Amino acid sequence: DVKVTQSSRYLVKRTGEKVFLECVQDMDHENMFWYRQDPGLGLRLIYFSYDVKMKEKGDIPEGYSVSREKKERFSLILESASTNQTSMYLCASSLRGMNTEAFFGQGTRLTVV
Amino acid sequence: SQQGEEDPQALSIQEGENATMNCSYKTSINNLQWYRQNSGRGLVHLILIRSNEREKHSGRLRVTLDTSKKSSSLLITASRAADTASYFCAPPPRDDKIIFGKGTRLHILP
Repeated sequence: DVKVTQSSRYLVKRTGEKVFLECVQDMDHENMFWYRQDPGLGLRLIYFSYDVKMKEKGDIPEGYSVSREKKERFSLILESASTNQTSMYLCASSLRGMNTEAFFGQGTRLTVV
Repeated sequence: SQQGEEDPQALSIQEGENATMNCSYKTSINNLQWYRQNSGRGLVHLILIRSNEREKHSGRLRVTLDTSKKSSSLLITASRAADTASYFCAPPPRDDKIIFGKGTRLHILP
């Protein structure tokens, strides 16, 4: 069974902390994504990676960075967490191409206090 | 990157009734996908419909695609409590980026 695994289901961090959200996929997918989801705003793309060490900004990259040192792992980093980064974070992976589907992790609900 | 726009934003129906939600998009596509998201979870792929298919079925799901109107619909027949979820459409990725809209929140009433 294909899997995308996010390291935490729930996370509570303090303002100013450096936060790492980890995502691992076991499908040898080239593409990996980080989205955040907020009520009324849908899913918004934060960052996208199409290969190891390659990344592209999505629609809302400010305040975030990413790391992809290995094909199966894509990390989202909040350099200095702020309360407005309280949200649901979703990781996904996919093959390259037009007919590909995305596979999602279970989500990480991050609260910054 | 383009995204689909789902309509309505929210929908409540009685269990057993049919639920219809719509998706509009802006540019030409060769396929469109629908996903479901149960509360507090990740999205799950439901179905892909290609531009040369007008209609596709999967169990109680029926998806249509009208490329002339740049729209698609998802019909869930004989709804169940377990169908309560948010539903998203996704046009093909542009530059490999998959973009989602705000979705339709479906609530099945007992």
